[in-house]
Amino acid sequence: TQLLEQSPQFLSIQEGENLTVYCNSSSVFSSLQWYRQEPGEGPVLLVTVVTGGEVKKLKRLTFQFGDARKDSSLHITAAQPGDTGLYLCAVDTGRRALTFGSGTRLQVQP
Amino acid sequence: GAGVSQSPSNKVTEKGKDVELRCDPISGHTALYWYRQRLGQGLEFLIYFQGNSAPDKSGLPSDRFSAERTGESVSTLTIQRTQQEDSAVYLCASSSTGTPSQPQHFGDGTRLSIL
Repeated sequence: TQLLEQSPQFLSIQEGENLTVYCNSSSVFSSLQWYRQEPGEGPVLLVTVVTGGEVKKLKRLTFQFGDARKDSSLHITAAQPGDTGLYLCAVDTGRRALTFGSGTRLQVQP
Repeated sequence: GAGVSQSPSNKVTEKGKDVELRCDPISGHTALYWYRQRLGQGLEFLIYFQGNSAPDKSGLPSDRFSAERTGESVSTLTIQRTQQEDSAVYLCASSSTGTPSQPQHFGDGTRLSIL
């Protein structure tokens, strides 16, 4: 069983649609990070959420940390082809290196 | 450039050969990390350096894998007697201090293919 379960694994939508992807765990975390990875590149940090119930917005992306700090969601409004990529959630479990989920692969069709 | 640099970007080699992968972190970053990413998967932690020391080697999958860092800068990941299951993208990241609050900055990886 993976520490972080991400769903869905794959998502293909049309430009302009809204979507939500999830990162779930049975463990409690002090913080959680979201990364986006484009083909042939390394992951790039989008946001870090720290407080239970916290909501952060980054343009059309809205990130929420669950009240119990066990899960998180990423909502994209009016998706654009430039949003295409692999969305990864990650946590620091105290060993300094990050533990990643397996990701949601998003394809936005023009 | 100012980012994390990895070389080579691609490496194709025959099963049984040794390979060396290089990472140049962001200047001044004391923490350096190696991860492995199999096709379509998330990242799997391999090893972490603080300065030139590796306090956490727990992610190295076998004794064929080793890594070193010198001058609190460049790191090399070596895989001996490569196997087909070693095929993956190997990603390096650095952070300024290694504390959890500091973001990790990733390179673009080395895509390793074992024939």
